[in-house]
Amino acid sequence: SQTIHQWPATLVQPVGSPLSLECTVEGTSNPNLYWYRQAAGRGLQLLFYSVGIGQISSEVPQNLSASRPQDRQFILSSKKLLLSDSGFYLCAWARGQGFTDTQYFGPGTRLTVL
Amino acid sequence: AQSVTQLDSQVPVFEEAPVELRCNYSSSVSVYLFWYVQYPNQGLQLLLKYLSGSTLVKGINGFEAEFNKSQTSFHLRKPSVHISDTAEYFCAALYSGGYQKVTFGTGTKLQVIP
Repeated sequence: SQTIHQWPATLVQPVGSPLSLECTVEGTSNPNLYWYRQAAGRGLQLLFYSVGIGQISSEVPQNLSASRPQDRQFILSSKKLLLSDSGFYLCAWARGQGFTDTQYFGPGTRLTVL
Repeated sequence: AQSVTQLDSQVPVFEEAPVELRCNYSSSVSVYLFWYVQYPNQGLQLLLKYLSGSTLVKGINGFEAEFNKSQTSFHLRKPSVHISDTAEYFCAALYSGGYQKVTFGTGTKLQVIP
């Protein structure tokens, strides 16, 4: 069976510090991978998605970046965090073919920027 | 632009009463629709999805939703709610040609009152 992991579960960082959140998927190959941010009262915002190693599409221009160094690893980064980066970050995966595939979500990372 | 609208940000309902959570999507020739549930501090879990066929879709935990093309709606219903149904519910749409990017609504918080 497939599983998706995210870490850390919670993170408190000062403004201006760097960020690295990691997401890994087990039990499948060549998944589509997604990073979402959930801010209070604002629903889910798609940040990045990837259809393969090294292939990253950005949905929202901002100070965040994403990388996919391995097939089942997706990393969200920032060089300098802003207060507005606080939120709940969710990683998700879906099978790579077709438009009807369900997205499976990880447990999330709660980021607080102070 | 493609969009998903959940007009109710919060829905309080008494235990064992019926509930309907509303979702409307922007019209499209081809759209696939999903409902996800999120329990506090957790990722999202798929409740049900509509891809094609019968417009009445049954999901987990006794939930069902009806696809109404003429009204561009996909409302979620449950005939009798339990305390354990207290969570946030997200409607989502996958539009054909959207490169597997799902558009989420802003969510509806269901509060079941004992």
